[in-house]
Amino acid sequence: KAGVTQTPRYLIKTRGQQVTLSCSPISGHRSVSWYQQTPGQGLQFLFEYFSETQRNKGNFPGRFSGRQFSNSRSEMNVSTLELGDSALYLCASTSGFSPQSSYNEQFFGPGTRLTVL
Amino acid sequence: AQSVTQLDSHVSVSEGTPVLLRCNYSSSYSPSLFWYVQHPNKGLQLLLKYTSAATLVKGINGFEAEFKKSETSFHLTKPSAHMSDAAEYFCVVSDKVGGTSYGKLTFGQGTILTVHP
Repeated sequence: KAGVTQTPRYLIKTRGQQVTLSCSPISGHRSVSWYQQTPGQGLQFLFEYFSETQRNKGNFPGRFSGRQFSNSRSEMNVSTLELGDSALYLCASTSGFSPQSSYNEQFFGPGTRLTVL
Repeated sequence: AQSVTQLDSHVSVSEGTPVLLRCNYSSSYSPSLFWYVQHPNKGLQLLLKYTSAATLVKGINGFEAEFKKSETSFHLTKPSAHMSDAAEYFCVVSDKVGGTSYGKLTFGQGTILTVHP
């Protein structure tokens, strides 16, 4: 079974631009979560999607948004990029079927390294 | 609210000696607890998980962790370190209640494990 894939793996953008990152979950998984990893703040939860609906959201500004498609693939978008948005963005998938979906460990992709100049 | 404290930012051991990575957690409900490992420029890999079955949990690559509710701890151990264990380790908590816990893992700040020959 193929793992979680993320594209692109590396991105370089300039301040003020916007960026879209893509995540394809493990086949059969319907829940996708996004995380931001930086040296200063560590790993922080951005949001989670299940069956095309955002079920949970972390404490990030509205510049960070996402969506999920009917095939469970997910995208996240960051508008008006700032230098502080430079980070490794990780997505993770899980089946999400149980109401207590936290029982299910999340499977992580390799991440997209975003550099904002 | 849930939180995780990893008590050591860096741990250094010699190959063949025991490893102890310490983690304390805080959770309003009975939590799920995980240890993930991240090798340089790689995604996160699950080492083991606790979900209220046995309190001593065995994971991959010889790692294990013991859930101690009275101490709110979930320390990671390995009897004998190997060079390939050098990586960053994350203690992670997830509440078992839906709503604000959907898809959300809360990460500790990480412990970098160095293994000397």
